[in-house]
Amino acid sequence: DAGITQSPRHKVTETGTPVTLRCHQTENHRYMYWYRQDPGHGLRLIHYSYGVKDTDKGEVSDGYSVSRSKTEDFLLTLESATSSQTSVYFCAIGGTGFYEQYFGPGTRLTVT
Amino acid sequence: DAKTTQPNSMESNEEEPVHLPCNHSTISGTDYIHWYRQLPSQGPEYVIHGLTSNVNNRMASLAIAEDRKSSTLILHRATLRDAAVYYCILRENFGNEKLTFGTGTRLTIIP
Repeated sequence: DAGITQSPRHKVTETGTPVTLRCHQTENHRYMYWYRQDPGHGLRLIHYSYGVKDTDKGEVSDGYSVSRSKTEDFLLTLESATSSQTSVYFCAIGGTGFYEQYFGPGTRLTVT
Repeated sequence: DAKTTQPNSMESNEEEPVHLPCNHSTISGTDYIHWYRQLPSQGPEYVIHGLTSNVNNRMASLAIAEDRKSSTLILHRATLRDAAVYYCILRENFGNEKLTFGTGTRLTIIP
């Protein structure tokens, strides 16, 4: 299994509070991704990174920000959580020349 | 991104082959065909990919139509562990590392 972990694995938070999810890899892959998964939607890309301090928006980036200060960590921040951001969040890693993306175990976030 | 169309669900008997279809009529010449699957309560995992020729690996086979407008993922001998949602995805080869997931096919294996 690819060395990719997510923390926390479960979180319940209140509307309006900031939340940060962490993705950590030990594979030294260039690309890292954040997806969310909701019933009936499959996975949708939120943001991705193609190197340290290099990030770009995905399909559903509104309300989310990301940071990548070192190769192994990619942080997803919800500045002010809303109930519509209740979802399962998956981190993935991959890179140029690597056709596969490897996914983490997911973080289940509930915003009440 | 080019779109794929898959059946919402399929059933198959254990220990029999399974053929999962995918239509991608708007595929471009540089699009690779990727398959991922997602087991219950897990993140997706890579299954196989191809461009023009049929491909085999330890998990499955990928049969690609000559015109590339459709493909079929073949599980040669389904086990209960193969019950998952299977996603067919088109991925551009040039500088675009993103995957665009659809809703996939939910495969149920009947013991």
